[in-house]
Amino acid sequence: AQSVTQLGSHVSVSEGALVLLRCNYSSSVPPYLFWYVQYPNQGLQLLLKYTSAATLVKGINGFEAEFKKSETSFHLTKPSAHMSDAAEYFCAVSGGGNNRLAFGKGNQVVVIP
Amino acid sequence: DAGVIQSPRHEVTEMGQEVTLRCKPISGHDYLFWYRQTMMRGLELLIYFNNNVPIDDSGMPEDRFSAKMPNASFSTLKIQPSEPRDSAVYFCASSASGGGNEQFFGPGTRLTVL
Repeated sequence: AQSVTQLGSHVSVSEGALVLLRCNYSSSVPPYLFWYVQYPNQGLQLLLKYTSAATLVKGINGFEAEFKKSETSFHLTKPSAHMSDAAEYFCAVSGGGNNRLAFGKGNQVVVIP
Repeated sequence: DAGVIQSPRHEVTEMGQEVTLRCKPISGHDYLFWYRQTMMRGLELLIYFNNNVPIDDSGMPEDRFSAKMPNASFSTLKIQPSEPRDSAVYFCASSASGGGNEQFFGPGTRLTVL
């Protein structure tokens, strides 16, 4: 079975500052890892995914994440926060071939002007 | 492609009434997932289908909930009878077979049970 831990439900960041959202996973098989973003009153949208190719993955809107097997982590970063980054971010893991995702509890990001 | 389509976008009903939520997955996708999102519980997987067959319905909260997928392009989630605690946003998502394929989410149906 797979699971994901995201700490800190609410994250405040100043505009222009680094965005760092932490994700640690547990998986009994080689994992596939995803970050999704949810803007208010919308569905979840894929930011980026790791599928065993390059360990540093670049996504949309300037976000990137690095897969570290030794740390079982897949942290999401963006060098400079923008007001439009205010949203909820979910980390998810899958494995074993059934496409089922195990989601973390999410991080609500607030960007302070 | 139009993406995953859900209807209605908003539903307001009274306790005890039957509610039917509808989903059209992306053409060619053979996995379909139903989720529920609330402030208290976050995002919960209710049930998922592969090739129109229910694979795991362990997340369905009660017998009042049922889901069907009569063909590859349509699925329904029914609540009968509805209760105020069923108020939530219900999402449908679909994905193609193959490890590492992401799920594509619909816009959701916001259900309010009075």
